[in-house]
Amino acid sequence: ETGVTQTPRHLVMGMTNKKSLKCEQHLGHNAMYWYKQSAKKPLELMFVYSLEERVENNSVPSRFSPECPNSSHLFLHLHTLQPEDSALYLCASSPQLGYETGELFFGEGSRLTVL
Amino acid sequence: AQTVTQSQPEMSVQEAETVTLSCTYDTSESDYYLFWYKQPPSRQMILVIRQEAYKQQNATENRFSVNFQKAAKSFSLKISDSQLGDAAMYFCAYRTDNTGKLIFGQGTTLQVKP
Repeated sequence: ETGVTQTPRHLVMGMTNKKSLKCEQHLGHNAMYWYKQSAKKPLELMFVYSLEERVENNSVPSRFSPECPNSSHLFLHLHTLQPEDSALYLCASSPQLGYETGELFFGEGSRLTVL
Repeated sequence: AQTVTQSQPEMSVQEAETVTLSCTYDTSESDYYLFWYKQPPSRQMILVIRQEAYKQQNATENRFSVNFQKAAKSFSLKISDSQLGDAAMYFCAYRTDNTGKLIFGQGTTLQVKP
């Protein structure tokens, strides 16, 4: 069982749909992250949660809505997306914010296509 | 603001040969961490190697080593004895503060030829 699991792996949705991405970590970590990976661009940090509290929101459009019900689960709720939102969405976790070694543990990502 | 730049979108290497991936960064901080992550096709991104800025000695992990030039703000990754399993996208990343926020470069796709 991988440490960080993301579902679904692939998602195709229309611009008027509402869907959610799910991330679950089995590592006992307290911090979780959403990153957006677009082709030929650096990974963009979207949201950071520490102990279920959002600590960073990097000017992400409101059509992306995160939810962290507990330290093991992180969701990204999607609604009225645009085609330019098509990307690979990566979830990551770390033992805590400011973890000394700085290592993040990533899931395999959810490939989102917006038609 | 800190930035990370990887100027090589794609690189290729012959199996068993050595390849170096480049990374430069911009920061005004003196204390920070630098990382190389590997993302194989359709698989999880994993940490390859880490360097603390206060350490002068270059980090090494088996066939992977870095050339850290703090004054030049350069952090290259050398892969020795390249293997087919090394084929992946490699990301350079930087971290300074205690939010856990990693700043990534654009990535370099490495092809390993048999």
